[in-house]
Amino acid sequence: DSGVTQTPKHLITATGQRVTLRCSPRSGDLSVYWYQQSLDQGLQFLIQYYNGEERAKGNILERFSAQQFPDLHSELNLSSLELGDSALYFCASSVGTAPGELFFGEGSRLTVL
Amino acid sequence: GNSVTQMEGPVTLSEEAFLTINCTYTATGYPSLFWYVQYPGEGLQLLLKATKADDKGSNKGFEATYRKETTSFHLEKGSVQVSDSAVYFCALDLNNNDMRFGAGTRLTVKP
Repeated sequence: DSGVTQTPKHLITATGQRVTLRCSPRSGDLSVYWYQQSLDQGLQFLIQYYNGEERAKGNILERFSAQQFPDLHSELNLSSLELGDSALYFCASSVGTAPGELFFGEGSRLTVL
Repeated sequence: GNSVTQMEGPVTLSEEAFLTINCTYTATGYPSLFWYVQYPGEGLQLLLKATKADDKGSNKGFEATYRKETTSFHLEKGSVQVSDSAVYFCALDLNNNDMRFGAGTRLTVKP
């Protein structure tokens, strides 16, 4: 058990809809990272937050947004969903600003029909 | 740009066989290098790491040596077990908030 909790574990929705994925980092970790894992593109870095502030952005679409709350949990919002957004979304946390060792949650599997 | 290239899988081995999964990197600075493992139905977890040239990371019988001259960080294990079946990811961290992962290599070990 990594200590990182993600909900929901599975989500099925339709094209055009909006979903929110939630992540609680490991106790004491200030950084939260979001990754997308799909069959054809591997593990893609989306965005990082450190202590409530956006720290780095990767290949995140404009339809996607995220935030980190004062209690350090984070939410990833995916809107105007397309079939290609179907993937496993991982949250990871680390102590400081640089990744170093990342602790991953079990992921949220999103299926867009 | 900064990137990691892993050997393509899937890799299928018999129990007790020798394992090598190749990983090479491209980076403008001096990255730390990692191997992560993803067991079925789970998130990734750190397997081993090396933070500077010639360092050797090791864990659970797996080893990898940071080779700056060949920009490589190949994963090896002398005798694999069925329980080693998983997807293995090579990754680099340039200490700039963007850890880059390879595409992953699926290993299946048969009894």
